[in-house]
Amino acid sequence: NFMLTQPHSVSESPGKTVTISCTRSSGSIASNYVLWYQQRPGSAPRTLIYEDNERPSGVPDRFSGSLDISSNSASLIISGLKTEDEADYYCQSYDSSIHVIFGGGTKLTVL
Amino acid sequence: QVQLVQSGSEVKKPGASVKVSCVASGYTFSNYGFNWVRQAPGQGLEWMGWITTYNGNTNYAQKFQGRVTMTTATSTRTAYMELRSLTSDDTAVYYCAREGRYTGTSSYWGQGTLVTVSS
Repeated sequence: NFMLTQPHSVSESPGKTVTISCTRSSGSIASNYVLWYQQRPGSAPRTLIYEDNERPSGVPDRFSGSLDISSNSASLIISGLKTEDEADYYCQSYDSSIHVIFGGGTKLTVL
Repeated sequence: QVQLVQSGSEVKKPGASVKVSCVASGYTFSNYGFNWVRQAPGQGLEWMGWITTYNGNTNYAQKFQGRVTMTTATSTRTAYMELRSLTSDDTAVYYCAREGRYTGTSSYWGQGTLVTVSS
């Protein structure tokens, strides 16, 4: 099994762009789809990105996902930051046995 | 629109079992499976396992093997997760999540069910 490592926390100012990374410990990041979830305090997770870079309907295009093969990582990019984006963000993928693996989560502070 | 509505909070004693339900609406139930995910207080998301709806196949995380059972009932559009031999470490919010186009992915989430294990 592999691990997905995220920074514990990031912070940025309103209107700016922030990138949250998710590094896969072994095997290629491109082997299995990566998803991103947003969890606001006291709420259930919400799917932000699926299949590496696809957005469900209703998710603003300020949110985007990408892969970087060279660093074996996925990234969630949030542009035009708003105070409402303050939340925990989790990346997720799965292994060859379809065991789901979550990153440890990143707390985004918009200050 | 897709909705997943979970059962209410539970308080259980150590050694007991809990069964959480998740009623789905807004899509063809048998076309998508379910993941179950839990979150202990102040902690991250932890995957417990998934179940397909068309044939009931399950795939449990090794940590929960032998202690968890996931089932579905097509007639009532309901998914269930039963966890046995509860300890205080099982105190968490339990979420059902409908899978996306591919097994191992989640598109829609229930509101969560708080399970508290306390003597």
